[in-house]
Order: sequence, then C-alpha cells, then structure tokens
Amino acid sequence: AQSVTQLDSQVPVFEEAPVELRCNYSSSVSVYLFWYVQYPNQGLQLLLKYLSGSTLVKGINGFEAEFNKSQTSFHLRKPSVHISDTAEYFCAVSDRETSGSRLTFGEGTQLTVNP
Amino acid sequence: GAVVSQHPSRVICKSGTSVKIECRSLDFQATTMFWYRQFPKKSLMLMATSNEGSKATYEQGVEKDKFLINHASLTLSTLTVTSAHPEDSSFYICSASYGWLQYFGPGTRLTVT
Repeated sequence: AQSVTQLDSQVPVFEEAPVELRCNYSSSVSVYLFWYVQYPNQGLQLLLKYLSGSTLVKGINGFEAEFNKSQTSFHLRKPSVHISDTAEYFCAVSDRETSGSRLTFGEGTQLTVNP
Repeated sequence: GAVVSQHPSRVICKSGTSVKIECRSLDFQATTMFWYRQFPKKSLMLMATSNEGSKATYEQGVEKDKFLINHASLTLSTLTVTSAHPEDSSFYICSASYGWLQYFGPGTRLTVT
C-alpha cells in the first residue's frame, strides 16, 4: 500500500518568486513518482516523472523535482513563477512492479501566483 | 503525445435518469483505463479500474450497479451513472494507461437536478 502527503494545501507566492511544493510518500514497494497539474475544470496534465536514473528530473513549464529516497520525498520546484502557474498540483506514486498500476494521489496543493 | 478525450464535457440531467460518459484514447491502445471522481477542491478518488474485455474492479464503497463501466475496446471505456441523484453531481475524470504512465481526459462535469 502507498500513501502520499502534500504538506501544504495552499501556497501563495508573488510573481517571479521561487516556489517549492512539498511531497512525501510511504510505500512498502518501490514506486514511480509523478507530479500533475490541474487547471480549473480540466483534467490532469503530467508535469514530470521519476522512473529511474538521475534523481533531479526536469519537466514542462520550467518545473523540476528531486527524488530523495532516504527522506521519501519528491518536492517540486520552480525558480521563478508566472501568473499562469496558478493551478492545483498533485503528487502521485505508482507501483514499479506492475505496468498500468493505479496511481495514489496526494490531496493537492493550490498554488496561487499573485502579481 | 498521448491524448485522451472524454465526452460529453458537461451534462445536466434530471434525477432518476441515466447518463453515459465516454473515455477514448485517441492515439494509443490502453489495456487499462481508470475512472475517478473529484469533489470541489479535493483530490481524485479512484472509482474503478477497467481492463479491456473483462469486468471492472471497483474500489471499496463504490456501487458497481450504480456506476456501470464497460471497456469494449482498447480505445474506449464508458461510465454509466444509473438512476442519477443530485449527490452524484461531480467532476468525473478518466485516464488511460500506457506502460507506466497514465494520461488523463479533460473531465466531465455532471450536474443532476
């Protein structure tokens, strides 16, 4: 079984400021890690994923995340945010052993970028 | 990239009627599709896992007779909300699995009056 905890439900920041959205997980098996973004009344779009290799992964829209196995964390960062980054962000994990396995989501973090 | 569509994007129906939502993978074949329900300002709640040609696997607490899922082909899964009630009003999202990745549809807003 897996669980995902997103430590901040809301993160307000000013435009061009850096941001970090925190995600911790627990699992009895090895997992893949994902960040998704959801704009209002839309589905989820994959921002980035960690499957293997370098623990620092880069995604779309200037986002990156770092997998820290010892701390079981996968925090999402962006050095300078834009108004258009305002959205809900979900961290998720899936079982590495099974292709097509279900995703376990965190509760989400609402990022609000203010001018 | 992999594209998943949902139809309709919005639907309003009267209490007691049934509504069908379609989920299609447009440029890939998906042996597994998932159906989620999302309440306002909440995360996604997995309702069921649908495998092509077999019965769907429902999560605990989800009524399989109320939420009928059919996965008739590798590119199409349907969710039918039977005898809908106002409490079924929600945002329904499907996803299609491609290897270890899931691609999400744009969602369907269901309002039951």
